[in-house]
Amino acid sequence: QVQLVQSGAEVKEPGSSVKVSCRASGNTVTYHSIMWVRQAPGQGLEWLGRIIPILGVTNYAQNFEGRVTITADKSTTTAYMDLSSLRSDDTAVYYCAYSGNYKLHYFDYWGQGTLVTVSS
Amino acid sequence: QSALTQPRSVSGSPGQSVTISCTGTSGDVGGYNFVSWYQKHPDKAPKLLIYDVYKRPSGVPDRFSGSKSGNTASLTISGLQADDEADYYCCSYAGSPSVFGGGTKVTVL
Repeated sequence: QVQLVQSGAEVKEPGSSVKVSCRASGNTVTYHSIMWVRQAPGQGLEWLGRIIPILGVTNYAQNFEGRVTITADKSTTTAYMDLSSLRSDDTAVYYCAYSGNYKLHYFDYWGQGTLVTVSS
Repeated sequence: QSALTQPRSVSGSPGQSVTISCTGTSGDVGGYNFVSWYQKHPDKAPKLLIYDVYKRPSGVPDRFSGSKSGNTASLTISGLQADDEADYYCCSYAGSPSVFGGGTKVTVL
């Protein structure tokens, strides 16, 4: 079993940045990957990007290229999602998810979600 | 990368079966056997139901099954139960990125 614990809710002003953390614990493995997904109010799930911490490889959704940065601290098995130039339509619940093998393309452990509200 | 196409809603009575389609392109659904399905209840994190088109994680009832034909994947829920009322999302690998479907609300009548 793997547990993912995300940082708490944030309220940000338009134009600013937000950084959400996701700490993995339990039976984590070296060659895992972390995905970030968001859900805006009344909307569906949206794929933001993925990181393979051991390789330092990241992939981003085209729509967010240049605005989202995903990083990881291998020593603390914590991943981070940084979203810049925030707009009101970035208001959403952001989730991280874990896959036990970076070659796989599904994610069986999820964080509890972090609400990011963008408002002036 | 455009979102995969799912019906906005499907419904069925308890005990019946419902099928949710997920249509993409040869660049995602049709090009890889890496389609997964997630169930999402309101205010809860998504839960993995199906991966690699038809495989079920341990603990997921065999009432849930997946398949694929060409650029369209499908999720079938058999023996519909009240707790199956939720939103369902398909997700497909599409090269480096992945892409989700728009989601389907399943209503148990």
